[in-house]
Amino acid sequence: QQQVKQSPQSLIVQKGGISIINCAYENTAFDYFPWYQQFPGKGPALLIAIRPDVSEKKEGRFTISFNKSAKQFSLHIMDSQPGDSATYFCAASYPGYALNFGKGTSLLVTP
Amino acid sequence: GAVVSQHPSWVICKSGTSVKIECRSLDFQATTMFWYRQFPKQSLMLMATSNEGSKATYEQGVEKDKFLINHASLTLSTLTVTSAHPEDSSFYICSARGGQANTEAFFGQGTRLTVV
Repeated sequence: QQQVKQSPQSLIVQKGGISIINCAYENTAFDYFPWYQQFPGKGPALLIAIRPDVSEKKEGRFTISFNKSAKQFSLHIMDSQPGDSATYFCAASYPGYALNFGKGTSLLVTP
Repeated sequence: GAVVSQHPSWVICKSGTSVKIECRSLDFQATTMFWYRQFPKQSLMLMATSNEGSKATYEQGVEKDKFLINHASLTLSTLTVTSAHPEDSSFYICSARGGQANTEAFFGQGTRLTVV
């Protein structure tokens, strides 16, 4: 049972555009929501994370928007660059437990 | 962010042999480590959770006698794939978290295991 649902499965964005990836969760006990970036053959790298008491968090070109009532959160990549082409995973966890990952979004940023 | 080092990055072994993968937290004490498995173009599947000094907790469907996990210190966890078979070929990734509940989880570089 997928506890975190992620969409879209793949995304193509032109250089300079905004990439938006969405995730939804069911369990209200989750209280930590990170996003990871993964390049082929590498482990996931933490991009940005948010907790449910905050509705938005921005770090550089990456922004998480969090909607607690809708149980949804999203990643926005501003001014997308070809180097951002990778697979992105959202995740959620209970306090102290393992992360539950979404299925991933393959992002391609075209020149 | 914190550094988690995983070794080896790739390994090829013969069917029936055992392979050990190491996961080290280099600049923090990892009270909890997680082992994941990832198939091509798929998400990470949790295999087991280990706390320092305790037996690992395995997810449903993961054979604990086949995938031996040891977390003997706050900076080192090992995964041993015993009597490996070609279907065990996969990308194995470890993750480590510090002492406080729900601190960030940092991942190793992953190990590509190929069983021939």
